[in-house]
Amino acid sequence: ILNVEQSPQSLHVQEGDSTNFTCSFPSSNFYALHWYRWETAKSPEALFVMTLNGDEKKKGRISATLNTKEGYSYLYIKGSQPEDSATYLCAFKDNQGGKLIFGQGTELSVKP
Amino acid sequence: DGGITQSPKYLFRKEGQNVTLSCEQNLNHDAMYWYRQDPGQGLRLIYYSQIVNDFQKGDIAEGYSVSREKKESFPLTVTSAQKNPTAFYLCASSNQYNEQFFGPGTRLTVL
Repeated sequence: ILNVEQSPQSLHVQEGDSTNFTCSFPSSNFYALHWYRWETAKSPEALFVMTLNGDEKKKGRISATLNTKEGYSYLYIKGSQPEDSATYLCAFKDNQGGKLIFGQGTELSVKP
Repeated sequence: DGGITQSPKYLFRKEGQNVTLSCEQNLNHDAMYWYRQDPGQGLRLIYYSQIVNDFQKGDIAEGYSVSREKKESFPLTVTSAQKNPTAFYLCASSNQYNEQFFGPGTRLTVL
């Protein structure tokens, strides 16, 4: 069974703080790593789809890095705002035709 | 607007009853998925379909059934054989990059 772990499970920061969290995944048979943002009462939305070792992607104040050899990805949020409050999910896909395997998520709460 | 719709938003079921959750997409995606979310857990895959008239079991298919008669539609039936059906159910479809597009979800409660 493939395991995708996210840490921390939850995070509380003040507005303006920068923060980061981790997604760990199997380092073999890598195909893609996804990040999603899931705001309360809304549907999860895709942030990034990353496929190459060393990939760095950026969307506004949010960026992500990928290390497929050691099996981890970091998501960074610079200058957190209350509207960044959400659960951030990562998902791993292998190259064996497998499905996306989701981590349990990191719940971020940004206080004004 | 293109997107995925799920209905109903909330569903209550008596023990022993089958219920069907609706999922429709107008994104012209071939692949569709059903996930279940329980508190403190990640999304777990129930069933998926990569093309019309074909579907495969996911990790937790027992007690569920699906059909894929049309590209736009992928309904999920929660049968009485599902031991613990109370959960939040998300439907998704994916593009050619496997990027998932999710519906708003259905919260099922067994009374």
